[in-house]
Amino acid sequence: NAGVTQTPKFRVLKTGQSMTLLCAQDMNHEYMYWYRQDPGMGLRLIHYSVGEGTTAKGEVPDGYNVSRLKKQNFLLGLESAAPSQTSVYFCASRRQLTNEKLFFGSGTQLSVL
Amino acid sequence: GENVEQHPSTLSVQEGDSAVIKCTYSDSASNYFPWYKQELGKGPQLIIDIRSNVGEKKDQRIAVTLNKTAKHFSLHITETQPEDSAVYFCAASLLDTGRRALTFGSGTRLQVQP
Repeated sequence: NAGVTQTPKFRVLKTGQSMTLLCAQDMNHEYMYWYRQDPGMGLRLIHYSVGEGTTAKGEVPDGYNVSRLKKQNFLLGLESAAPSQTSVYFCASRRQLTNEKLFFGSGTQLSVL
Repeated sequence: GENVEQHPSTLSVQEGDSAVIKCTYSDSASNYFPWYKQELGKGPQLIIDIRSNVGEKKDQRIAVTLNKTAKHFSLHITETQPEDSAVYFCAASLLDTGRRALTFGSGTRLQVQP
C-alpha cells in the first residue's frame, strides 16, 4: 500500500516554463489537497478537491491550476512559473469529511530560477 | 477565514525534559485541532488531535490541551527523546461544514539534545 505518491520529487524550472505535479493515492479517498510549504509560513492551501471532477480554490491559488479527472489522481499545474513559486509542494488526501486524518505525500521540491 | 498562530518557532530541550508548543486560533467556530509531526525529507504525519468537546487528550508521552474560551491549544511532550526532533505543526478546522480543509500554524522546530 503506497499511500500518497508525488512525482517528481525535485524539479528546477526557468521563469516562464510550465510543469505539472502529479499526486496519486491508492486509498480510495474522496478529498485531495495541494499545499505549499515555505519557511516560517507553515502549510498554505493552494487548491483542493472534494471528489472526482470537482476542484476549489484555497488560500493561495493564483498562478496554479488543478484537475481531478480520476478519483485517485490530483494534478497541480504551473502555466508560467515565477520565482515566487519556489517552494516545497505537498499533496494530501483523506477518506471523507467525517474522517479527519490527512495523509501526506513526501513532497516535491521546486525551484524556479 | 481562520488564522492560526504558533509559538515558539524553534525549541531546544535536553533529552528527558518536557517540551510545550502553543497555538492560538481566531475562529471561535473551529472544532477540530490536530497536531502533525514532520521529519526531515518527509510529509507531515498526524500524531494527536482533539475536538472542541474535550479539554485534554493524552497518548503515551504526548498530550494536547484546549482552552476554548481563550482560543488556544497546546502540545505537551514529556520525557523527550532524540527521535522527537522534528518540525511540529498545529492546525484548526471546522468539521462537517463547507470548510473542508485545515489551516496550519507556521511550525515549531524541536531539537532534543542528547
